[in-house]
Amino acid sequence: DAKTTQPNSMESNEEEPVHLPCNHSTISGTDYIHWYRQLPSQGPEYVIHGLTSNVNNRMASLAIAEDRKSSTLILHRATLRDAAVYYCIHHYGQNFVFGPGTRLSVLP
Amino acid sequence: GAVVSQHPSWVICKSGTSVKIECRSLDFQATTMFWYRQFPKQSLMLMATSNEGSKATYEQGVEKDKFLINHASLTLSTLTVTSAHPEDSSFYICSGIGHPEETQYFGPGTRLLVL
Repeated sequence: DAKTTQPNSMESNEEEPVHLPCNHSTISGTDYIHWYRQLPSQGPEYVIHGLTSNVNNRMASLAIAEDRKSSTLILHRATLRDAAVYYCIHHYGQNFVFGPGTRLSVLP
Repeated sequence: GAVVSQHPSWVICKSGTSVKIECRSLDFQATTMFWYRQFPKQSLMLMATSNEGSKATYEQGVEKDKFLINHASLTLSTLTVTSAHPEDSSFYICSGIGHPEETQYFGPGTRLLVL
């Protein structure tokens, strides 16, 4: 049963980097790690995903541990618009299971 | 990125009526679509997985006769809440998978309020 664990909430100052951790100890070889974020009253927005190697895109970076049992989403410079609930998802087959996520607050 | 739309964005209905929510993938073909429900301050709960041209697979505890899902084409899936009751009031969100990325793209959600 795929399960991820994340801190309930985190706080960051504006324009500082944010590191959002996620544990996915049940992950196996071909399972992807996906990150989404959700603003109030909106559908989740895709952020980034990866398999083994670290990944970068215009929104964020994803650092995946060597044993793949954990990963970290990195926002390089947090803005007020980054305040959202961030979900780390362990994707296998057609299964995307959402955990409770991390509520990120960004302080001006 | 891929775009998914939902219609309506919000709906208010009387108890006992049926409500249909449409989910469309606008710029990609979604062979698989998902329907989620989200209550206030909670995470998304998967209701069902829908593959084009076949019957939906419902999660445990979700009544298939109450939540009718039709995925008639590669760009459209519908969820019908039959005989809605106040406890069905929630935020309903659909998503589609675009191949070969295997990434889910979510719609903006539909807020349902049953009086």
